[in-house]
Amino acid sequence: AQSVTQLDSQVPVFEEAPVELRCNYSSSVSVYLFWYVQYPNQGLQLLLKYLSGSTLVKGINGFEAEFNKSQTSFHLRKPSVHISDTAEYFCAVANTGGFKTIFGAGTRLFVKA
Amino acid sequence: EPEVTQTPSHQVTQMGQEVILRCVPISNHLYFYWYRQILGQKVEFLVSFYNNEISEKSEIFDDQFSVERPDGSNFTLKIRSTKLEDSAMYFCASSAQSPDRTQYFGPGTRLTVL
Repeated sequence: AQSVTQLDSQVPVFEEAPVELRCNYSSSVSVYLFWYVQYPNQGLQLLLKYLSGSTLVKGINGFEAEFNKSQTSFHLRKPSVHISDTAEYFCAVANTGGFKTIFGAGTRLFVKA
Repeated sequence: EPEVTQTPSHQVTQMGQEVILRCVPISNHLYFYWYRQILGQKVEFLVSFYNNEISEKSEIFDDQFSVERPDGSNFTLKIRSTKLEDSAMYFCASSAQSPDRTQYFGPGTRLTVL
């Protein structure tokens, strides 16, 4: 079975500052890893995904994430955030041989002016 | 860009009533899913559907729930007799026949059971 832990429930940050949202996972099998963003009253939008290959993946809106197999982590980063990045961010893991995606509890990113 | 659509956006029902939530997945996708998110909580997997049958389901997906693909475009979730604790946002997702099966989500249906 897989599980996902998002280490911070809320991250306040000032506009134009860098941000890192932390995610750790556990799994006994190979996995795919995802970050989704949820803006208020909206659905889930895929930010980026790691399937295989390069451990640094780039996504939309200037976000990137690094897969670290030894630390079972997939932290999300952005070098300079905007007010519009205020949203809930979900890390997720899927078994390469299965169907369901397991989500973390989410991290609320709050960007202040 | 193709997207998953869901109707209605908000459904209010009385406890004990049946509800059907509807989804139109992305047209060339073959895998379909339902998730739910109780207010303030994490997104939880309910069920996956492929080749006209359930491929995987969670312990939440009990006999009160059923899914169907009644035609070539719609994918539905039926809750037979709603309970207060069924109040949640329900998300439909779909994925293509590709190795990663990246799931693309609809905007959700907010179900309120009174």
